[in-house]
Amino acid sequence: QVQLVQSGAEVQKPGASVKVSCKASGYTFTRYYMHWVRQAPGQGLEWMGIINPSNGNTRYAQKFQGRVTMTRDTSTNTVYMELSSLRSDDTAVYYCARDRLAGDYPLWHFDLWGRGTLVTVSS
Amino acid sequence: EIVLTQSPGTLSLSPGERATLSCRASQTISTSYLAWYQQKPGQAPRLLIYGASSRATGIPDRFSGSGSGTDFTLTISRLEPEDFAVYYCQRYGSSATFGGGTKVEIK
Repeated sequence: QVQLVQSGAEVQKPGASVKVSCKASGYTFTRYYMHWVRQAPGQGLEWMGIINPSNGNTRYAQKFQGRVTMTRDTSTNTVYMELSSLRSDDTAVYYCARDRLAGDYPLWHFDLWGRGTLVTVSS
Repeated sequence: EIVLTQSPGTLSLSPGERATLSCRASQTISTSYLAWYQQKPGQAPRLLIYGASSRATGIPDRFSGSGSGTDFTLTISRLEPEDFAVYYCQRYGSSATFGGGTKVEIK
C-alpha cells in the first residue's frame, strides 16, 4: 500500500550528526515532492525543507541552512535527512511528508506522512 | 515571513457541539494557500483541508474550511469522539509555515 516508512529512533550527543531515512512504497517515487517537518516535544510543527526525488534538487528553511542535507536514492525509493551540529533543542520527532499530488511543481501541503522518527540529543 | 496565529489555544466542547477554530495571518495569504491538519497524540498529522476550503480525500463533510486574505476558519459541525485532537493551520506556496495549534478537548 501507499506508505512512508521511517528509520528508528536515534540518540545522539551534542555536536554530532543524525541521518534519518524515509522509504516510500506504493506509488511512483520520483513524481511526488517530499518534505521534512519536525516537532519538538509538546510543541508545534516546523517545516525544514523539500526535495525533488526526480532530480535531487532541494530547498531548505533558512533556519536550517548549512546544517541540513536532504538526499534521495531512486534505486531504493528512499529520501534522507541529515542534520549536523546537533543541539539539545534539535530533540524532536522528524517526519517525512509527501506532496498531495504528483507534478512538476511542489504543492507544499502534505497528504501522506511517515510515522516519525524521534531524535534525542543528549550528553 | 508570514506568521500564523491560531485561537483559541484550547477549546473545551462536548460531543455533538460545533467547533470553530481561527487562524489569522500576519500578511495576506495569496490564492488561499491555507491548509488544516488534525493531529492526535502519538500520530502524524492528517491533512483535512487545502486551498482554504477543499476537503482532502476521505475527510468527512462535518469538517469545513472558509476564509481568505488574513482570516481563516476551520469548522467542525458536530464533534464526534474521534475529533478531539490538536488542529494546525499551514500557509503554503513557496515554503510552509504552521500555526501554533488549537487543542480541542472534551468538556
